[in-house]
This record gives sequence, C-alpha cells and structure tokens, in this order.
Amino acid sequence: GDSVTQMEGPVTLSEEAFLTINCTYTATGYPSLFWYVQYPGEGLQLLLKATKADDKGSNKGFEATYRKETTSFHLEKGSVQVSDSAVYFCALRGRNAGNMLTFGGGTRLMVKP
Amino acid sequence: NAGVTQTPKFQVLKTGQSMTLQCAQDMNHNSMYWYRQDPGMGLRLIYYSASEGTTDKGEVPNGYNVSRLNKREFSLRLESAAPSQTSVYFCASSGRQGVDEEKLFFGSGTQLSVL
Repeated sequence: GDSVTQMEGPVTLSEEAFLTINCTYTATGYPSLFWYVQYPGEGLQLLLKATKADDKGSNKGFEATYRKETTSFHLEKGSVQVSDSAVYFCALRGRNAGNMLTFGGGTRLMVKP
Repeated sequence: NAGVTQTPKFQVLKTGQSMTLQCAQDMNHNSMYWYRQDPGMGLRLIYYSASEGTTDKGEVPNGYNVSRLNKREFSLRLESAAPSQTSVYFCASSGRQGVDEEKLFFGSGTQLSVL
C-alpha cells in the first residue's frame, strides 16, 4: 500500500537558518503530494501541494518539488523564523484513493531566536 | 468562519466507559474524516464519510463507530474505551467536487486519555 516516510525530529535551527525536511513516498502511479503544518494546540493546515512530476509547490517562503525519479518531496525554506516552529507532515493522495490522504509520521521543527 | 468544530477538547475516561466525539463543519463539504494522531505515527484514518448517508472504514477502525448525522455533522463513538485508544483525535472535511477537493480542513483536536 501507499506510505510516506519523513525524517525524524526534532529539528532544531537558529533563526534565519536554511531548512530541509526530507520526505519520500511509496505509491503506485502518480499520487498528489502535500505538506501540512500543525502549530501548537491547533489542527493541521495545508501548507503546499504538487499534483504532478516536477511541479513545485510554494507558500509562505516554503517550497517542495515533486521528484518522480527519487520519489521525494522535500520541504525547504531559505530563512526560518521562530514563528515557523511547528510539526510538519508530508502526505500523499493516491490516484485511486478518493480524497483520502496517507500521512508521514511528522517532523517537529524548533527555531531558536 | 468557524470551519471545523470538535467537542470536547479534552476527555479522560476509565477503561470500559463509552463516549461520543462530536464534529461539525460549516463549509458545505461532502466528505468528512476522523483521524487519530499518535507520537511518531502521524495521522491514521479511522473512518470517513464521502457523502451524507455513507461511511467507510479507514486504516484503524476497530473499537470505533461513526454516524454521519447530516451533511454538517460526523460523530465518532467509542463503545468500550481501552487504554490503546489514548490519542489525539482530529476531525476533518474536504471541499466540494472540483473545488479544492484535495484540501483537508481540520478541527483543533480532542485529547483523549483512557485510564
């Protein structure tokens, strides 16, 4: 079945550092890929998405590129802020999965001033 | 806009007790979902409802039942709670056909402890 693997956290960075959170997936066909973010005490929010190979999703300074050849969708940001501290989830929707998502385990990011 | 509203936010149960988690959305969404979130395991789908009047099992349905009461409301029931059901529960809904249908909107969660 479909699966998503993320790097384990926590990831601790200083403000203005470069961020990469790795995400790889296993799925048949061409899934849609997503990053969701969960701020403390809240539910998840969609951060960005990509629906086909080589698409780049971007939002709030975050980017991720759909790499079919490496089955990856790594999240990057050039300069993190304290307000980016949250848990980040990579997810996929398989082509025959309706609207159901498969989530990775989540990566906690802590940004220190 | 309220979005997705879950109640209660916190609950402590004793083993064997029953309870119902309530969820309502005001975005006229067709699909609704119940997930549980456990440390290091991400979110796992318990049940979902693709439309009013239909429900289907997800990845981890054992020990749970659901009711899609109407288009707005989707409840999750634990008939006889077990310590293994200690978790954070999230309700979510997704958009109308062709309109951001892949985007899930989440409630703020219910933290459940079963002693």
